[in-house]
Amino acid sequence: QKEVEQNSGPLSVPEGAIASLNCTYSDRGSQSFFWYRQYSGKSPELIMFIYSNGDKEDGRFTAQLNKASQYVSLLIRDSQPSDSATYLCAVKGSSGSARQLTFGSGTQLTVLP
Amino acid sequence: GAVVSQHPSWVICKSGTSVKIECRSLDFQATTMFWYRQFPKQSLMLMATSNEGSKATYEQGVEKDKFLINHASLTLSTLTVTSAHPEDSSFYICSAIPGRELWETQYFGPGTRLLVL
Repeated sequence: QKEVEQNSGPLSVPEGAIASLNCTYSDRGSQSFFWYRQYSGKSPELIMFIYSNGDKEDGRFTAQLNKASQYVSLLIRDSQPSDSATYLCAVKGSSGSARQLTFGSGTQLTVLP
Repeated sequence: GAVVSQHPSWVICKSGTSVKIECRSLDFQATTMFWYRQFPKQSLMLMATSNEGSKATYEQGVEKDKFLINHASLTLSTLTVTSAHPEDSSFYICSAIPGRELWETQYFGPGTRLLVL
């Protein structure tokens, strides 16, 4: 059973702070990892993907991957109220249905003005 | 680039009727499309994987006779909810993959809200 675990939150941070979102996964053979943002009532939109150990930065967002610990995180610097949303971690499988994404339950983030 | 559309965005129907939802990749050819369902305050649940020209692969617990999927072309997949009942009311979202690389991600359509009365 492939599992992706996230803290459901809610996570609240003040405007301008760093928001840290965490995700663990059970399939050690997983190859690539994605962070999506989903506003209430909307479909998910891709923020970042990462498939190599280490950090990947894109603007205010940094994804971190540690395959040995089966851990992936998303840091949001200088958080803005517009970042308030549910953040979904998704993992692409290693074999079989390798093109499918397994989603975590999401972390609800609120950035307080 | 990588835009996926869905139609309709909202549908309200009576119990027992069938509803068809279209998913189109507008600026790329989608080798694979996926259909998800999301209930309020829950995460996305994969219903089925659809490859162009072949039968869809359904996830465990999803009735293939109730949720008919047709992937007739590389840019269009349809989901038909047959004999819809109130418990089928949900947010249905499709996604599409443009390629086969590891980093190729799924691009999501805007979703279709179905309300069965």
